[in-house]
Amino acid sequence: GENVEQHPSTLSVQEGDSAVIKCTYSDSASNYFPWYKQELGKRPQLIIDIRSNVGEKKDQRIAVTLNKTAKHFSLHITETQPEDSAVYFCAAPYSGAGSYQLTFGKGTKLSVIP
Amino acid sequence: DAGVIQSPRHEVTEMGQEVTLRCKPISGHDYLFWYRQTMMRGLELLIYFNNNVPIDDSGMPEDRFSAKMPNASFSTLKIQPSEPRDSAVYFCASRVGSSYNSPLHFGNGTRLTVT
Repeated sequence: GENVEQHPSTLSVQEGDSAVIKCTYSDSASNYFPWYKQELGKRPQLIIDIRSNVGEKKDQRIAVTLNKTAKHFSLHITETQPEDSAVYFCAAPYSGAGSYQLTFGKGTKLSVIP
Repeated sequence: DAGVIQSPRHEVTEMGQEVTLRCKPISGHDYLFWYRQTMMRGLELLIYFNNNVPIDDSGMPEDRFSAKMPNASFSTLKIQPSEPRDSAVYFCASRVGSSYNSPLHFGNGTRLTVT
């Protein structure tokens, strides 16, 4: 199966600063890496994903980078705002039975201090 | 679209009691997943279905856990008997097909507390 490690487990930044969350994965065949955001008491929601055919993807203040050789990918949030405070999960696919399932990292609790 | 609907939102029960969690996936989604979330272990996949058929239940912790999907619009996760260590948030999620273009959609979860 897939093993996903996520660091750090908690992260505090000042409003306006950048935040970086890193994940490593074990299965070199993995080629899809989504990131989910979970606000307190709510459901995880997809915020961005990256496929293995690109090294970086941006969407406004968030970006994800992928290093397939090193088997790690990162989430970058620039100009952080209080509403960015949440738990962020990375994930990688584990293939089987003609489909795939996602293995999630243990999450990073991001606190943006006003 | 109402999204993935789970019930109840909160469940408090005593050890030894049977607990049934319910899920209605998004219409047209042929994959349904049950996850358990705890502080210690994060989001763990328990079981998933494709076209109502269980595909992989290797994440189900014990025989006390069982899941069914009698039709395309309904699934249950049952714990019998429940134990305090089962306390967690249980999420149901669904998606359509096995393409990476189809993201996983989560329900709001059921927070289970076993005393």
